[in-house]
Amino acid sequence: NAGVTQTPKFRILKIGQSMTLQCTQDMNHNYMYWYRQDPGMGLKLIYYSVGAGITDKGEVPNGYNVSRSTTEDFPLRLELAAPSQTSVYFCASGRGGSSYEQYFGPGTRLTVT
Amino acid sequence: AQTVTQSQPEMSVQEAETVTLSCTYDTSESDYYLFWYKQPPSRQMILVIRQEAYKQQNATENRFSVNFQKAAKSFSLKISDSQLGDAAMYFCAYRPVTDKLIFGTGTRLQVFP
Repeated sequence: NAGVTQTPKFRILKIGQSMTLQCTQDMNHNYMYWYRQDPGMGLKLIYYSVGAGITDKGEVPNGYNVSRSTTEDFPLRLELAAPSQTSVYFCASGRGGSSYEQYFGPGTRLTVT
Repeated sequence: AQTVTQSQPEMSVQEAETVTLSCTYDTSESDYYLFWYKQPPSRQMILVIRQEAYKQQNATENRFSVNFQKAAKSFSLKISDSQLGDAAMYFCAYRPVTDKLIFGTGTRLQVFP
């Protein structure tokens, strides 16, 4: 049981490049989330999904896209990377509802130069 | 808007002593959940403790306990018998029943031997 896995762990992008951050969970959780954490700040929600085929915007969705074709995977796509997207990205999953916690992946540190 | 405020950017404590981290939140909801997450240098987000707003009894998990004051919208974390491994960033988080976590900006805890 690996929990939530993210790849890559680190990445450097040039301005205008695109990339996909991968996230996979093996806990059969319906809910999945993408957060970004800027230096010295808490996590902010980018996108979330309550099940396969269903996604919705969070607090800071601009510049990102997501898809959820399976329960396990929730990739985050960055199009036309900008320096403002330099951050640490966390994927999380949870059963949703009630008080169930969210389980976080180890994060991806992304630098856009 | 729902917000979470951690007014202490940094705190320090001597090993074996007790420290309290503060958190306040703003909401008009009556039913919600509160969490404390620990983020060590590894970046992994680890759930420390959670509190359901409908429960009057303060949650405890071993050396960690909370002081939940619903009327004051306050949710502080007390760490007893501090250990070197407690050194980390601590984030307070609020989750309304819509299931989106809202994080504070964090408190960096240093533990001195």
